[in-house]
Amino acid sequence: DVVMTQSPLSLAVTLGQPASISCRSSQSLVHSNGNTYLNWFQQRPGQSPRRLIYEVSQRDSGVPDRFSGSGSGTDFTLRISRVEAEDVGVYYCMQGTHWPWTFGQGTKVEIK
Amino acid sequence: QVQLVESGGGVVQPGGSLRLSCAASGFTDGIHWVRQAPGKGLAWVAFMRYDGGDERYADSVKGRFTIPRDSSNNMFYLQMDSLRADDTAMYYCAKDARGSFDQWGQGTPVTVSS
Repeated sequence: DVVMTQSPLSLAVTLGQPASISCRSSQSLVHSNGNTYLNWFQQRPGQSPRRLIYEVSQRDSGVPDRFSGSGSGTDFTLRISRVEAEDVGVYYCMQGTHWPWTFGQGTKVEIK
Repeated sequence: QVQLVESGGGVVQPGGSLRLSCAASGFTDGIHWVRQAPGKGLAWVAFMRYDGGDERYADSVKGRFTIPRDSSNNMFYLQMDSLRADDTAMYYCAKDARGSFDQWGQGTPVTVSS
């Protein structure tokens, strides 16, 4: 199985400051069709997960543009340009290239 | 309008069975089941393509869980047999979206305990 490793596992950020979460996979996430199925999900306290980013850098409709995704191969990053109070929660990367699909451990973001 | 509504969660004894339901509307893509143990992260459990042509299971549930479906009613199920304590989790159904899930239900809780 592909192991997804996130860092850090916890992040305390001052409001308005940037935040960055790293996600590394144990093997390349480039699919045989040329696409890279690396996703980022946000789970606010007490809520279901919500997709923010798909295929490395494609932002979902309604997701603020302060969220961005980047990376390639085995190394990926989620950036929040200016953290807001509503960004508190746990963020997960997930790969959908290789079966079984696998998640990172999650990164808890809180406000300092 | 895409909608996913889970139901059927509850308390069951080890070794018992439970069937979760996912009412899916507004699409004809596949369905995944994803679970989250209390205080833990997300774990993919199973996938069924809408037409039933492809199904996949995590090793931890293979041989114990299946995904029956009733396409006439847009219902997907997670049939869980031989339940163990480590199956205790919130179970979500999620809409397949080419290497991703683009919509999630609200979840239904399952507790396996004597």
